[in-house]
Amino acid sequence: DAKTTQPNSMESNEEEPVHLPCNHSTISGTDYIHWYRQLPSQGPEYVIHGLTSNVNNRMASLAIAEDRKSSTLILHRATLRDAAVYYCILRGWGKLQFGAGTQVVVTP
Amino acid sequence: GAGVSQSPRYKVAKRGQDVALRCDPISGHVSLFWYQQALGQGPEFLTYFQNEAQLDKSGLPSDRFFAERPEGSVSTLKIQRTQQEDSAVYLCASSSTVSSPSTDTQYFGPGTRLTVL
Repeated sequence: DAKTTQPNSMESNEEEPVHLPCNHSTISGTDYIHWYRQLPSQGPEYVIHGLTSNVNNRMASLAIAEDRKSSTLILHRATLRDAAVYYCILRGWGKLQFGAGTQVVVTP
Repeated sequence: GAGVSQSPRYKVAKRGQDVALRCDPISGHVSLFWYQQALGQGPEFLTYFQNEAQLDKSGLPSDRFFAERPEGSVSTLKIQRTQQEDSAVYLCASSSTVSSPSTDTQYFGPGTRLTVL
């Protein structure tokens, strides 16, 4: 199964944008790129997903490179509530395969 | 509406005891997943149900782990003769559709934290 690579941690100031990179050089043509996040002591929650085109929703934006070998999750204005572990996942059929994710720290 | 619920939230077992963890998915959800999350790591897949059928159990670490969903709604993960390495958070997730990479969103419960002494 295709794997993803993410930085271990990132820091941001409150109300500033956060750009979370994800490398997935072995992505297949049918893999969707999904992002989930996990707040402390909670189960993961869905953030956004896409295939080839950039995607926006109320939580975030997803920018996908033209060759699909990398993507970036963008939180436009980080709040303290956005402090969590963010997982980039290549989604085939069935299970989600989580990596270690990126720990986002938001400073007031 | 109500989300995915899991019980108990915390479970302490002595090594060798059997435990049963319960998952109540969102009503009407077809797909149900179990994941295991060790401290400081991402969740790892254990097993997948579509309605009452267990379609994938490739992630179950040993034959001590058993999962069922007899009526296609509530699911139970059972661990027999617990070992210390079984200590982890056990997460349940459900989705409204047959699992699909393009449309499927998995909704997770809060997890059950199992500690084996």
